[in-house]
Amino acid sequence: GNSVTQMEGPVTLSEEAFLTINCTYTATGYPSLFWYVQYPGEGLQLLLKATKADDKGSNKGFEATYRKETTSFHLEKGSVQVSDSAVYFCALSHRGSTLGRLYFGRGTQLTVWP
Amino acid sequence: DAGITQSPRYKITETGRQVTLMCHQTWSHSYMFWYRQDLGHGLRLIYYSAAADITDKGEVPDGYVVSRSKTENFPLTLESATRSQTSVYFCASSQTGPANTGELFFGEGSRLTVL
Repeated sequence: GNSVTQMEGPVTLSEEAFLTINCTYTATGYPSLFWYVQYPGEGLQLLLKATKADDKGSNKGFEATYRKETTSFHLEKGSVQVSDSAVYFCALSHRGSTLGRLYFGRGTQLTVWP
Repeated sequence: DAGITQSPRYKITETGRQVTLMCHQTWSHSYMFWYRQDLGHGLRLIYYSAAADITDKGEVPDGYVVSRSKTENFPLTLESATRSQTSVYFCASSQTGPANTGELFFGEGSRLTVL
């Protein structure tokens, strides 16, 4: 079946530190992969996505590369800011599904201190 | 304003009572979803709908009922609330057809506490 596993949190970093949040997936076929972000008190919003192997998604200084050989989609940012404090969710959408349903990981809480 | 709105944002109720959470979207998206978010579980799909009058169960449907008489509305009803249904509930929608990139658009959530 389809599933996503992401690293347990919480993650606590100082401002300007390097961030990596690991995400691996299990899926039949060729899923699309996503990172969503949830700021305090808000709903989830799309951060970045990749729809095929070797694609790199990027937004707001965050990047993730779709690695089919390792079934991974790790999120990285070179220099985090206090405003990046949020919960990050890795997700996949099975391309064969007509529903566009997403399968989410459990989320990783990131706190950035000044 | 265009978007997806949920109401109420906060609700406290008692065990055994019926509760309805409302979801309204202005994009005319065909697909709509209800997720619950719990610590240690992330987001779990309760019910989804591909169009008006078409609904189906997700991972955790027990104790919930949905309806979709109009494309823009997708209410979620807890027929007899239990403490285990204390959670944050998110409604989401997505586009259809060639424009469907798999992206979901989420409401701000409804925090439900069952005493």
